[in-house]
Amino acid sequence: NAGVTQTPKFQVLKTGQSMTLQCAQDMNHEYMSWYRQDPGMGLRLIHYSVGAGITDQGEVPNGYNVSRSTTEDFPLRLLSAAPSQTSVYFCASSTTIPGLAGGGTDTQYFGPGTRLTVL
Amino acid sequence: GEDVEQSLFLSVREGDSSVINCTYTDSSSTYLYWYKQEPGAGLQLLTYIFSNMDMKQDQRLTVLLNKKDKHLSLRIADTQTGDSAIYFCAAGGGATNKLIFGTGTLLAVQP
Repeated sequence: NAGVTQTPKFQVLKTGQSMTLQCAQDMNHEYMSWYRQDPGMGLRLIHYSVGAGITDQGEVPNGYNVSRSTTEDFPLRLLSAAPSQTSVYFCASSTTIPGLAGGGTDTQYFGPGTRLTVL
Repeated sequence: GEDVEQSLFLSVREGDSSVINCTYTDSSSTYLYWYKQEPGAGLQLLTYIFSNMDMKQDQRLTVLLNKKDKHLSLRIADTQTGDSAIYFCAAGGGATNKLIFGTGTLLAVQP
């Protein structure tokens, strides 16, 4: 198993450009999510999906779109990049929804991250 | 909203014990987690503890939970240079149905 893979590892964009961060998992996990990691702020949830065709907003969804056409893939699209979106982005997957009351302790697997700089 | 807080930095000497502390605000949290993030990598689950437990030990790792004070700690015995990483505390299974991460503590191990 490759686990959770993300591409690209690094990306530099100019303000206003758009791009898609790719995420794939081969563990047949229903739940997938995107986080951004900023210094002193921990991980913040951007969007998540509980299965193919189902997505929902997390804590900081503005400026990002997602889709989930297959169980394996969960791309994150930046529509018009802004300097405030400079961050490290992590994709994660698990069998159940992390943090759900009574949801158990299934491990959430993280990808290696994409470091994005917006100039 | 609910919050999880950690100190930002801890420096220890190789062979010493490290204690990383965390506080959380959601008293209904049922699972408390510790994740490790090595340089250039994603987060990896280290261990977790249920809210009805006071302590959990796993080899060099000891997790202590004070539910009354909503305080969680991770003790690493005989800290090695390979333990240098960012450690995240997270709380979940509470009223928010969300997993809330702390800001992370950078552990630097001096040889």
